[in-house]
Amino acid sequence: DIQMTQSPPSLSASVGDRVTITCRASQGIDNYLAWFQQKPGKAPKSLIYGASNLQSGVPSKFRGSGSGTDFTLTITSLQPEDSATYYCQQYKYYSPTFGGGTKVEIK
Amino acid sequence: EVQLVESGGGLVHPGGSMRLSCAASGFTFSRFWMSWIRQAPGKGLEWVANIKEDGSEKYYVDSVKGRFSISRDNAENSLYLQMNSLRADDTAVYYCARDFYFGTWGQGTLVTVSS
Repeated sequence: DIQMTQSPPSLSASVGDRVTITCRASQGIDNYLAWFQQKPGKAPKSLIYGASNLQSGVPSKFRGSGSGTDFTLTITSLQPEDSATYYCQQYKYYSPTFGGGTKVEIK
Repeated sequence: EVQLVESGGGLVHPGGSMRLSCAASGFTFSRFWMSWIRQAPGKGLEWVANIKEDGSEKYYVDSVKGRFSISRDNAENSLYLQMNSLRADDTAVYYCARDFYFGTWGQGTLVTVSS
């Protein structure tokens, strides 16, 4: 199975900051990479698929990049409503796997 | 509006069985792979199983192979997860999701395995 490693596990940033979350695959997955946002007690919400394609209705402050084994999610102009846990997920093969998550907190 | 609604969760004893359902609406259900994903309390996300559009291919995470079975009824726009020989570590919120990249999720249903 492909292992997905996210870093950092958590971060704290100020309103207006730009934050970057990284996700590394244990083997190449082309661009079969998705990102999700999950708030406490809620279902995950799809943000990005195909490494860099924004889901409909997701603000452009979320940007995904990367290919192969290394990927990043960048959130610009951080706002209080962006406080959440973010997960990456690979779907190159029939057995998808998730990263361990990155908890983003607002200072 | 694309919507997925899970049902069937609850409390079950270790070794027991439970069947989860996911009702789909707002899209052509028969054209999409579907998955079950779970989240244990305070933990991350774990894909459990998926099924091809016509039900001809099914895949499972190793920890549930031989115990869980995914199925679908395209005429009823419904996805199912039959869970047998349940263990305490199966306790989780179970979500159904559409596509390989999980573009749409249901609200989840809680399964608690406890004596």
